[in-house]
Amino acid sequence: QVQLQESGPGLVKPSETLSLTCTVSGGSISSYYWSWIRQPAGKGLEWIGRIYTSGSTNYNPSLKSRVTMSVDTSKNQFSLKLSSVTAADTAVYYCARDLIAAAGLDAFDIWGQGTMVTVSS
Amino acid sequence: DIQMTQSPSSLSASVGDRVTITCQASQDISNYLNWYQQKPGKAPKLLIYDASNLETGVPSRFSGSGSGTDFTFTISSLQPEDIATYYCQQYDNLPRTFGQGTKVEIK
Repeated sequence: QVQLQESGPGLVKPSETLSLTCTVSGGSISSYYWSWIRQPAGKGLEWIGRIYTSGSTNYNPSLKSRVTMSVDTSKNQFSLKLSSVTAADTAVYYCARDLIAAAGLDAFDIWGQGTMVTVSS
Repeated sequence: DIQMTQSPSSLSASVGDRVTITCQASQDISNYLNWYQQKPGKAPKLLIYDASNLETGVPSRFSGSGSGTDFTFTISSLQPEDIATYYCQQYDNLPRTFGQGTKVEIK
């Protein structure tokens, strides 16, 4: 049973960089896309971007200038960095597996529990 | 970006009622649509993929239909454990986008 767990600071100062890691357990990180998705309190879901285990990335254009994703297959982990954060980046951040099948299936089938990140001085 | 518009934003129904949520895409997305359920304080859970395919282990009272720009999600007989917010999500194009959510409550 594949499980995901987000980790990282729960409080980040404005203008600094938010850094989160997602650890994949119960299975291999290889040969999948892995996404980050965030949700401000009481609001909807926003896809931040994804990374393939080769290191190839796709970012949401709305955040692209501030986002960097990386993967460490030896540790079964992938990471998110979001620079120059403001209060608008305060949200629950989820990591998720982006399951893509040849038949056209493409869905976030496994999610981490989420981690709350607050941007405040 | 493809805009996903859900309606209603919230609804209240009785146990056993049939509940229907609609999702409209701003352009043709074929059947490239998923539905998720999110209970309070929890991560979303995939219920339906490819517009109409039930994820393994999901009760058969949940169903989805539609293609192109108009999609429907149905709970055939609402149960107390179905209290949640439901989201549609398109995967025709990047960036992936979600509807704003529909909150389902028990009357």
